[in-house]
Amino acid sequence: GAGVSQSPRYKVTKRGQDVALRCDPISGHVSLYWYRQALGQGPEFLTYFNYEAQQDKSGLPNDRFSAERPEGSISTLTIQRTEQRDSAMYRCASSPLGQGLSYEQYFGPGTRLTVT
Amino acid sequence: QQPVQSPQAVILREGEDAVINCSSSKALYSVHWYRQKHGEAPVFLMILLKGGEQKGHEKISASFNEKKQQSSLYLTASQLSYSGTYFCGTARGGYNKLIFGAGTRLAVHP
Repeated sequence: GAGVSQSPRYKVTKRGQDVALRCDPISGHVSLYWYRQALGQGPEFLTYFNYEAQQDKSGLPNDRFSAERPEGSISTLTIQRTEQRDSAMYRCASSPLGQGLSYEQYFGPGTRLTVT
Repeated sequence: QQPVQSPQAVILREGEDAVINCSSSKALYSVHWYRQKHGEAPVFLMILLKGGEQKGHEKISASFNEKKQQSSLYLTASQLSYSGTYFCGTARGGYNKLIFGAGTRLAVHP
């Protein structure tokens, strides 16, 4: 079946512009996670959702970052007034069940964001 | 709170064994292991849960010492396909907020 998909795969934007990164999880997966991954490093947790509810946003670096999942499926990570330090690979992951259990996460291919 | 992985890098010949370790300073609920090949997304290998339950999809074994907050991934009779970077992700509560280590790079040569 289809895995996690993300779009766009590559995004180049100028400093100060807003960007929206999209994640389409595996059908039926309850939980959705956003990570940021620097080259050569492990994924860094940003935020996660169970259904449409944002359960934890403690990893969002500052208030320029926000995420939503209004219908409990597709999610959008928005970065306002981008800065060069925001350049990274942004990955989304989904898992079958939500809070209270521990399940494997399926990662998407990521969006490579470059801020010039 | 980031778990510490060791070693940072390993070079093996096909057929050799390796152990990758992951340790945390905090009490853990579960440890997840992922492998990432260059330019690709991380791929799930195994979950180890507090209480001893394990869930995995490949012929790779692991252990979880809850008292020491440590986990080890055992790669036996390594194959060329095992090459990649291995990450452990730790969860403190009964939900999947994972904190990943910095990774262990594994290279398997013929």
